Amino acid sequence: EVQLVESGGGLVQPGRSLRLSCAASGFKFDDYAMHWVRQSARKGLEWVSGISWNSETKGYADSVKGRFTISRDNAKNSLFLQMNNLSTEDLAFYFCVKDLSPITLVRGVGGFDVWGQGTLVTVSS
Amino acid sequence: DILMTQSPSSLSASVGDTVTITCRSSQSISSYLSWYQQTPGKAPKLLIYAASTLRSGVPSRFSGDGYGTDFTLTISGLQPEDFATYFCLQTASTRALSFGGGTKVDNK
Repeated sequence: EVQLVESGGGLVQPGRSLRLSCAASGFKFDDYAMHWVRQSARKGLEWVSGISWNSETKGYADSVKGRFTISRDNAKNSLFLQMNNLSTEDLAFYFCVKDLSPITLVRGVGGFDVWGQGTLVTVSS
Repeated sequence: DILMTQSPSSLSASVGDTVTITCRSSQSISSYLSWYQQTPGKAPKLLIYAASTLRSGVPSRFSGDGYGTDFTLTISGLQPEDFATYFCLQTASTRALSFGGGTKVDNK
């Protein structure tokens, strides 16, 4: 069964850090680009960051650039999101997402065909 | 950045109706658009990619059309399980991907 399972969410104070992880199974992880997408009542669905199959291409939404870092470990079928200097604006469910394509941010056909169940990040003092 | 504008933000329809949702991009995205369905408490599901290609397993009552800046998702013969929120996503940008604001389809 194709599956993505996120972990690492929780309650954190403003200015602190959190690291999200995503464990992939049921497909050849290193054949596909991967993304983080978040969803909040205030902002709806928001693409956060994406990474190509070989980690050569990475991209970030302006709202997280310089604070968040995406990475992957193909040997361990895992995706990560290091989130630093968190603010209340980052409060959301964070989804790990598989792309249809091995590459991303190259003006091409893509799509998010597998989603995790999401992990909640709450930023509050 | 490419802004995706979806309309309407909500609509009411009945089982059997044909529903059309529109997504407009702030610049041309060729056919690099996909559509998603989300029900409460669940993650979104991919319905259509490359503007008009139906994902395997998705009912044929769903169809997508468009190129450039204007796109539509049509549900022909709405079923009870289709009451949900629908989103579009552009994958044309080399800087940042972006979703539309969503369209909630509820039961009239």
